[in-house]
Amino acid sequence: SAVISQKPSRDICQRGTSLTIQCQVDSQVTMMFWYRQQPGQSLTLIATANQGSEATYESGFVIDKFPISRPNLTFSTLTVSNMSPEDSSIYLCSVAQGYTEAFFGQGTRLTVV
Amino acid sequence: TQLLEQSPQFLSIQEGENLTVYCNSSSVFSSLQWYRQEPGEGPVLLVTVVTGGEVKKLKRLTFQFGDARKDSSLHITAAQPGDTGLYLCAGGSSNTGKLIFGQGTTLQVKP
Repeated sequence: SAVISQKPSRDICQRGTSLTIQCQVDSQVTMMFWYRQQPGQSLTLIATANQGSEATYESGFVIDKFPISRPNLTFSTLTVSNMSPEDSSIYLCSVAQGYTEAFFGQGTRLTVV
Repeated sequence: TQLLEQSPQFLSIQEGENLTVYCNSSSVFSSLQWYRQEPGEGPVLLVTVVTGGEVKKLKRLTFQFGDARKDSSLHITAAQPGDTGLYLCAGGSSNTGKLIFGQGTTLQVKP
């Protein structure tokens, strides 16, 4: 298993600003994933972050809104840009091992006011 | 597009009761996982099933993967308040590493 540290754990931000979420893994991994989750609901994949290449975004998510960095095999960041109240959600990073088993950080609870 | 239909979406039961959560799809998955998530935490992997017809047990939890690898179930025997949480099934693609998540089942076990 992998241990994933995500920060901040929560934040309250003003609309129009940007927030960068960091994700640190205790081992080298090829693929890292960023998800969004409304409280009590399921996870929606935002993008896949691979080291050395641009992130691959899912339908409905674009790089200008959610830029991702992946500078090495243990670290990634997700930025939520030009935030609006609709961006209020829980953001989770995860890594995949073995049979696509996923390990998650504790999440970042974002509230945009 | 691969989809996973999870049911029920909400379940409230008394301590000691049994329950089953279902996860169904029209697509075949290379593997299927079950996760449990508590408030303020990320999902935690409970089990992975990869072989059609496979049954795995984790204490009072029994997981089954359908013969055709399109569906799965989670059965909890004698539920306890500590079982309360959001249960998520997820189907995996060995090609992409991506997971497709079901809608989730919120379980509340009352003492």
